[in-house]
Amino acid sequence: GAVVSQHPSWVICKSGTSVKIECRSLDFQATTMFWYRQFPKQSLMLMATSNEGSKATYEQGVEKDKFLINHASLTLSTLTVTSAHPEDSSFYICSAPGTGVTYEQYFGPGTRLTVT
Amino acid sequence: AQKITQTQPGMFVQEKEAVTLDCTYDTSDPSYGLFWYKQPSSGEMIFLIYQGSYDQQNATEGRYSLNFQKARKSANLVISASQLGDSAMYFCAMRAGGGSYIPTFGRGTSLIVHP
Repeated sequence: GAVVSQHPSWVICKSGTSVKIECRSLDFQATTMFWYRQFPKQSLMLMATSNEGSKATYEQGVEKDKFLINHASLTLSTLTVTSAHPEDSSFYICSAPGTGVTYEQYFGPGTRLTVT
Repeated sequence: AQKITQTQPGMFVQEKEAVTLDCTYDTSDPSYGLFWYKQPSSGEMIFLIYQGSYDQQNATEGRYSLNFQKARKSANLVISASQLGDSAMYFCAMRAGGGSYIPTFGRGTSLIVHP
């Protein structure tokens, strides 16, 4: 149980276009999901907290208008990179907290975005 | 604020030997949780082991054990009998108490297992 999926697993897009990444909890409900960005050989950087039924909470320095987050249902959160530029190329990972005592994070497999 | 420090950017170990990956943490919250995740080259984050701040015994999960020294604020991961498949990035993370779900990650340690 506790599986999180992400789609697509990789995407190449042209500069100036928008890309949507989906994060789904397959066998549990997630009122909260997290979106991370990871550069090669670096740690995960929390971008925002996605909340079902309300606005996302963005970390300092993350552009809200560029990285649009929508938590449409208890099992789906989406991240849209708008007007993508090459510097947005990165590995994007979502996660959802478990409901057990540890609050372990269940991670999606990640999406590798390349902007040309 | 919470902070996780992993001082080893890279580690090498011979197959079948044990290796210790270091992690120190800082928090003023008396209730917290410590995690270790493995990230192979595929990018997926794999949960390895968890230690709660009030747990009396060190956590173990198969070949993984967590050497929890609360007074020193350290939570080192010990991998016994290393396998080639253990080559990956390893991240230490902490979740502070108070119902917070948000973990803080360390910079990670790259482990390479030699045959």
